[in-house]
Amino acid sequence: QQQVKQSPQSLIVQKGGISIINCAYENTAFDYFPWYQQFPGKGPALLIAIRPDVSEKKEGRFTISFNKSAKQFSLHIMDSQPGDSATYFCAASRNNQGGKLIFGQGTELSVKP
Amino acid sequence: NAGVMQNPRHLVRRRGQEARLRCSPMKGHSHVYWYRQLPEEGLKFMVYLQKENIIDESGMPKERFSAEFPKEGPSILRIQQVVRGDSAAYFCASSTPGPLYNEQFFGPGTRLTVL
Repeated sequence: QQQVKQSPQSLIVQKGGISIINCAYENTAFDYFPWYQQFPGKGPALLIAIRPDVSEKKEGRFTISFNKSAKQFSLHIMDSQPGDSATYFCAASRNNQGGKLIFGQGTELSVKP
Repeated sequence: NAGVMQNPRHLVRRRGQEARLRCSPMKGHSHVYWYRQLPEEGLKFMVYLQKENIIDESGMPKERFSAEFPKEGPSILRIQQVVRGDSAAYFCASSTPGPLYNEQFFGPGTRLTVL
């Protein structure tokens, strides 16, 4: 199976709060899991990515948690800011498939001041 | 260091016309991917190309769609005889060969509207 399921579809968080977006995958051959941020009218921008040999990766306010046995990974945005309001996509790919990305359905995040 | 460039940014076509979308990858990148984003949906893989070669076209519709990445010049996604269902944002991404080739960087997209 090639599917990546993302939840929630939309999320409202107060400024300073923690935003959490979850993704689940089925294909155990996936070996690269990026998160992209997309603002209206713009292209997706690579935010942070993880490979399955680690369980967590942190870059600034953004953290990916990865649970290989559960086939799940999540994005945590600490100290959420109104400027973080965007649509977030998780994705997965396989090395031996040329790296084509299989995307989740997206989460529209709104951070209220 | 210019990013991925796409043009045009907006394209309007009438049913039955042809649409040509162009993508210039980032400097040093020789892998190009095309994705389509329908309204209120995620991105769907269409095709993966390297210079002069189509590597994976498993996401391309069987008819009317074609893609190329010539030795010189940009990658082209061509849609013949467009229909209203082709209206979408088309994104190109590029990556570098080597251990980081999974890291794909996206262009701003071409928004195609079919009247």
